[in-house]
Formats: sequence, C-alpha cells, structure tokens
Amino acid sequence: EAGVAQSPRYKIIEKRQSVAFWCNPISGHATLYWYQQILGQGPKLLIQFQNNGVVDDSQLPKDRFSAERLKGVDSTLKIQPAKLEDSAVYLCASSLTPMNTEAFFGQGTRLTVV
Amino acid sequence: DQQVKQNSPSLSVQEGRISILNCDYTNSMFDYFLWYKKYPAEGPTFLISISSIKDKNEDGRFTVFLNKSAKHLSLHIVPSQPGDSAVYFCAASGEYGNKLVFGAGTILRVKS
Repeated sequence: EAGVAQSPRYKIIEKRQSVAFWCNPISGHATLYWYQQILGQGPKLLIQFQNNGVVDDSQLPKDRFSAERLKGVDSTLKIQPAKLEDSAVYLCASSLTPMNTEAFFGQGTRLTVV
Repeated sequence: DQQVKQNSPSLSVQEGRISILNCDYTNSMFDYFLWYKKYPAEGPTFLISISSIKDKNEDGRFTVFLNKSAKHLSLHIVPSQPGDSAVYFCAASGEYGNKLVFGAGTILRVKS
C-alpha cells in the first residue's frame, strides 16, 4: 500500500514570497490533515478535510494560509506571503475516518524562510 | 497554552532496560490519548493509544498507563532496543479523535 506522498521535501524561500505544498493521501482515505511542526514543538493541526469539505480550520492563519482539496483527493497548502516564523515542517496525514488513531503521516516538507 | 506537556526533552536508556516516557495534560475533556514515534526525516507513526475509560493498554513491548486523576500518562517500553531510538510524541484528543493536540516530544536514545 502506497503511503502519503508529499512534495517538495525541502523548500527555501525569501520572506514575502509565496509557496505551495502538495499532498496525495492514501487511496480511499476520506480524511486529510495538514499539520505545522515548528522546531522543538509537536505538530499543530492547521486544517482538517473530510472528503473535499473543511471540518476544522480554526488554527489556520487565514490571512496568509490557504488550503484546498479538489475532488476530495489531492490537497495543496499555500502560504502567501511567507514570514520568517513560517519556517517549519509541514506534515500531511490521511485516515479512513476522522479517528486519528488510523492517521498515516507523510514525510513532510521542510520550509525555510530567509 | 500547552495542553499536553512532555517535560523531559530527552531520555537515555541502556539496551534491555525499561524506557519510561511521561506526559501530562491539562484539559479534562480529553478522551483519547495516543503515542506516536518519529524517526528523522520521516513522518510520525502511530504506536499505541488508550481510551479514558481504561487505565492500561498493552501491545507487545509497549504499554501505556493512564492516571486520570493526576492527568498523567506514561509509555513503558520493555525491553528497550536500539531501534526504539526516536522521538516520541504524546497526543490527546476529544471523543472520536477530533483535533489531536501534541506534546513537544521526547528524544529516546537506547544505547547498546
């Protein structure tokens, strides 16, 4: 079974630039999550999708972050414009159901904003 | 506001001995607790979980204990193996797993 795929693995951008991350969940997984993990901290949920609808985006900084999940499969997370404090690993995860015990994580995208 | 705290940034244990990782939480509404393991350059992997209606759950070498009155849980690994060296995250959620809240993680090093 293929895992959660994320790209790119690494990205370095200057502040005020924009960046996009892509996630392909495990086939058949209805629930998709984006987490932000800042160095030295645990992952923090940014947004949760159930199929192509948003379930929870209460911790997503909506003035600069946006996410979509077209057709309930792939998802993209965008930051525009980026700030220095956005430097982090962005993790995508998916699960068959909203029960997080079944969530499978991708390898993440490490973003460095300079 | 850290609702889930892992106060030990790192732990070093000899191979074959017991590893005990601790986690404290503040939100009494948490209903489900999980441990994730993370190797460098990989995403977290689910390890073991426990519902708030239980005080112990065991899976092979891994056992999680929950003390609701103290708002404390711990992960025991017996015996510890070098391959267990990783970052361990404690996480908590409401019923049905909504919105996982993670601790900052504990780096476990198992020395051979």
